[in-house]
Amino acid sequence: GESVGLHLPTLSVQEGDNSIINCAYSNSASDYFIWYKQESGKGPQFIIDIRSNMDKRQGQRVTVLLNKTVKHLSLQIAATQPGDSAVYFCAENRGDDKIIFGKGTRLHILP
Amino acid sequence: DGGITQSPKYLFRKEGQNVTLSCEQNLNHDAMYWYRQDPGQGLRLIYYSQIVNDFQKGDIAEGYSVSREKKESFPLTVTSAQKNPTAFYLCASTPGDSYNEQFFGPGTRLTVL
Repeated sequence: GESVGLHLPTLSVQEGDNSIINCAYSNSASDYFIWYKQESGKGPQFIIDIRSNMDKRQGQRVTVLLNKTVKHLSLQIAATQPGDSAVYFCAENRGDDKIIFGKGTRLHILP
Repeated sequence: DGGITQSPKYLFRKEGQNVTLSCEQNLNHDAMYWYRQDPGQGLRLIYYSQIVNDFQKGDIAEGYSVSREKKESFPLTVTSAQKNPTAFYLCASTPGDSYNEQFFGPGTRLTVL
């Protein structure tokens, strides 16, 4: 069954505010957790990954937090822009040669 | 420009016909993947290949077939045995030394009438 899932299917955020997209996982043996962004009609794009022995990783305007105690992953987007409007997927790498995707959260940016 | 291409973008077929979706990459990547995406859903892995002339089944391989005769190409055939073939199909590739960052093509939307 699905082991990587998201708390909410849709999230609406005011332009300029920070966005927080959440994800729960069940497999404690995963090596990496990954975030992808998919714009309408396009293929997903890699955003950032975090190794399972880390708590936090920062990228350009994004931060991923990993809480292994409660098996929770989040993606924070600072100063959300219209171009951030997309579906965001969390995914996990269990140490083999493929990754498993969750169902996605659609991020709406309000003007 | 290096990239991964899928053709065609939209494809229509009659029920009972086999159809082959194209995926080509010039990134010199070793590993290639095929996913299926249904509306409001995540990506489900159909088949993947880490090296030429070798491939493995993913989670939903039934009704699909692939080949990997060349490093650059990984075509997917949707056979008449696939019960619900209408979907968005995505191809991806990775260098093979890291599987986290997959590079996706633009996708093919297949509609079976």
